[in-house]
Order: sequence, then structure tokens, then C-alpha cells
Amino acid sequence: AQKVTQAQTEISVVEKEDVTLDCVYETRDTTYYLFWYKQPPSGELVFLIRRNSFDEQNEISGRYSWNFQKSTSSFNFTITASQVVDSAVYFCALMTYNTDKLIFGTGTRLQVFP
Amino acid sequence: EPEVTQTPSHQVTQMGQEVILRCVPISNHLYFYWYRQILGQKVEFLVSFYNNEISEKSEIFDDQFSVERPDGSNFTLKIRSTKLEDSAMYFCATQRGGGRTGELFFGEGSRLTVL
Repeated sequence: AQKVTQAQTEISVVEKEDVTLDCVYETRDTTYYLFWYKQPPSGELVFLIRRNSFDEQNEISGRYSWNFQKSTSSFNFTITASQVVDSAVYFCALMTYNTDKLIFGTGTRLQVFP
Repeated sequence: EPEVTQTPSHQVTQMGQEVILRCVPISNHLYFYWYRQILGQKVEFLVSFYNNEISEKSEIFDDQFSVERPDGSNFTLKIRSTKLEDSAMYFCATQRGGGRTGELFFGEGSRLTVL
């Protein structure tokens, strides 16, 4: 069975702190895709990144970086020098090769205080 | 930047009433999806739609739900007889290629409140 676990329900930080959001996934498929989405208070889902299971290279995009480790089935997301605008719920999601269905984790609510 | 548009943004209805939620996909996208999010909970897959037919659906998507592209542009989700537990945010998502190619673009959601 496929499953995504985001153990951190809520994280609070002060602006300029670094913060890492954890994501652990389960699947028996060898080909799969991992995603992160941001849901700001306005409610929409904003795509952040997609990674396929054959590409373990870490990625950096501005203040965002992602650490994909197949050995621990984790796909963690780090925000460097957090800002108030980063406050949102962040969802990790999994899609396996033979389906179009995204399986979401329960989300981590990040609050960044000034 | 092209975007997925959903209407209405919020609908309040009485239990037992029919509801239609509408989505205008990005124009060159071929795959369409509905997801829902009960308040404070995770986002759940409902259905995927390609080439004018359902390609996959979840156990949530029972006989009370249906989807269609009536005019080649809009993509609709119909709930025939709403229940209290249908209250949720419903997200439409579209994708140019299939799941293996990846990025789903989500609309801003339609909040459904069933009284």
C-alpha cells in the first residue's frame, strides 16, 4: 500500500530561522514520483517540486531545498531564512507509476512569526 | 500564467440537493482530476478523467458523484444528493500529460457547505 507520513503537525519559527519539514513515504513500486505542495491561508494548492524515484540528486531553488533519500524513504523540505510569507500548510504527496492518483500526507502547518 | 479556474468559490446547499461544481482547465491539458479536502484534513483523490471517460476513481467517488466535460471546455463534478459529510473544499486539477509526466495544476477550490 502507498502512504505518506508527515509526522510534524505544526511548526512555529521566528523569521530568518531555517526549518525542515519531514516526509516519509511507503510504496512497493520502484518507479514513483514525490511532490511538495504549499497551501497558503487563501486555500489554493501551489506546486513546489516533483521528483522521480530515479533521481536522488538534491535540489535547491532559492531559499527552498529538498533532500531525497531512498534509503530512508524520505523526501524532506528545508526553507532557509524563513519569512512570514512562508506561513502555510505544506503537503508532501506520492504518485506511483501506474496511476494518476496523488496520495497526500496530512500536511505540516508552518507558522513564521516576525 | 495560465491557471485552472473553479466556480463557485463557495456554495451553501441543503442536504439532499444536487450540486454542480465547475472547472475550466488550462487549454492544452488533457487530464483532469477532482480532489477534496475536508476542513483541516488531508487532500483526497476523487477521480481522474481522460479522453471523455473516468480513468480512475476512489472509494469516495460513489454513485452520488459524476463527472463530465459537457462542452469540451468545462469539467464538472456533480453530487446528486448532498450529505452533510460532503462538506469540503473541492479542488479541480489538470495536467498536460499523464501521471508519469507530472505536474498537476490545481484550481483555487470550491468550498461546499451542506446544511
